[in-house]
Amino acid sequence: QQPVQSPQAVILREGEDAVINCSSSKALYSVHWYRQKHGEAPVFLMILLKGGEQKGHEKISASFNEKKQQSSLYLTASQLSYSGTYFCGTALISGGYNKLIFGAGTRLAVHP
Amino acid sequence: DAEITQSPRHKITETGRQVTLACHQTWNHNNMFWYRQDLGHGLRLIHYSYGVQDTNKGEVSDGYSVSRSNTEDLPLTLESAASSQTSVYFCASSGRAGSHEQYFGPGTRLTVT
Repeated sequence: QQPVQSPQAVILREGEDAVINCSSSKALYSVHWYRQKHGEAPVFLMILLKGGEQKGHEKISASFNEKKQQSSLYLTASQLSYSGTYFCGTALISGGYNKLIFGAGTRLAVHP
Repeated sequence: DAEITQSPRHKITETGRQVTLACHQTWNHNNMFWYRQDLGHGLRLIHYSYGVQDTNKGEVSDGYSVSRSNTEDLPLTLESAASSQTSVYFCASSGRAGSHEQYFGPGTRLTVT
């Protein structure tokens, strides 16, 4: 039931772009994206609901393809502050709108 | 400002002991969640509650229990601590009108020796 995130790790130079994917085998109501810095709590980035609406947060945006049960997180012109582990959390249609199942995470390192 | 707090932040205990981790939120959120985080597994749901007197099992609930006697608190109890329960534990809450985003507490690092 756990969504699959890819890639597991990404290394970027400042200014480069990256895409992180999240894929589920179950029908989804929504996908959440969180970022966690080392030793800190996860912080909410954005939520995508059924309908494929694309959301944005500064230079970070995301999309949700409900037919494929997939979401992608786009990081444009990456900054040093983007480093951390990114988690997608999925809410299943069958599981209720508030309960999330998280992927294993994607570690992102941005270097000068 | 509204917040979510966890205590203790660090705990070392012995195998077989009962341990309770506290979680307190001041957002007046109905929904509260407990996760454990282990390398390679991400965040795994232990128990959750949608309101007072409501509790539900998550993916990895064996050996854990919760109770919800008021809106603000959801304590997590390890009935008989095992070394496999060494982990970082996060509490979260949600329920802001029109949004399902979860707010996480700072975490408790638990070591079972």
